[in-house]
Amino acid sequence: DAGVIQSPRHEVTEMGQEVTLRCKPISGHNSLFWYRQTMMRGLELLIYFNNNVPIDDSGMPEDRFSAKMPNASFSTLKIQPSEPRDSAVYFCASRNRRFSNEKLFFGSGTQLSVL
Amino acid sequence: DQQVKQNSPSLSVQEGRISILNCDYTNSMFDYFLWYKKYPAEGPTFLISISSIKDKNEDGRFTVFLNKSAKHLSLHIVPSQPGDSAVYFCAASAMGAQKLVFGQGTRLTINP
Repeated sequence: DAGVIQSPRHEVTEMGQEVTLRCKPISGHNSLFWYRQTMMRGLELLIYFNNNVPIDDSGMPEDRFSAKMPNASFSTLKIQPSEPRDSAVYFCASRNRRFSNEKLFFGSGTQLSVL
Repeated sequence: DQQVKQNSPSLSVQEGRISILNCDYTNSMFDYFLWYKKYPAEGPTFLISISSIKDKNEDGRFTVFLNKSAKHLSLHIVPSQPGDSAVYFCAASAMGAQKLVFGQGTRLTINP
């Protein structure tokens, strides 16, 4: 299995630009999570989906952030407009709720730098 | 409001000695705890977990201890090896909840 695949690995953009992060979960997994890693707060949950439906987006910091999961094999996290304080590593994770209990499988992350 | 706290940002240990990483939590509803390990430029990977019905879980060189009354858990690595150098995240979840709440992470460095 290829694991959770995220793209791009690195993104450098200017303040005010739109940024789209992409994620392909592990095939067969029915839950998908977006986390953000910062020094101060560690891994923060932004939003998660069950069976492609957003369940909890209370961690999304502002309306500038939005996430979609149009099908079981693809999700996007969009920031529009981006700001320097959005600079962080963004992780996507997935699991099969039926089998894996709370264990999540993470992608390699997208390092976002907003100048 | 940080429900899971790792108060030591970094820890340095001599190879062969014991590494002890600590984690505190505030939510008494948490009943399942995990440790994840993260290498640079990679995503976190699952290391070991413990349910609140236990106070200890061991897997090879790794042991997790849970003290529910103190709302504290720790990860022991014995003996420590250079390959253990990584960032370690503590995480917790509440029964029936689907999301994992993570701490800030502790960077462990094993010195030869």
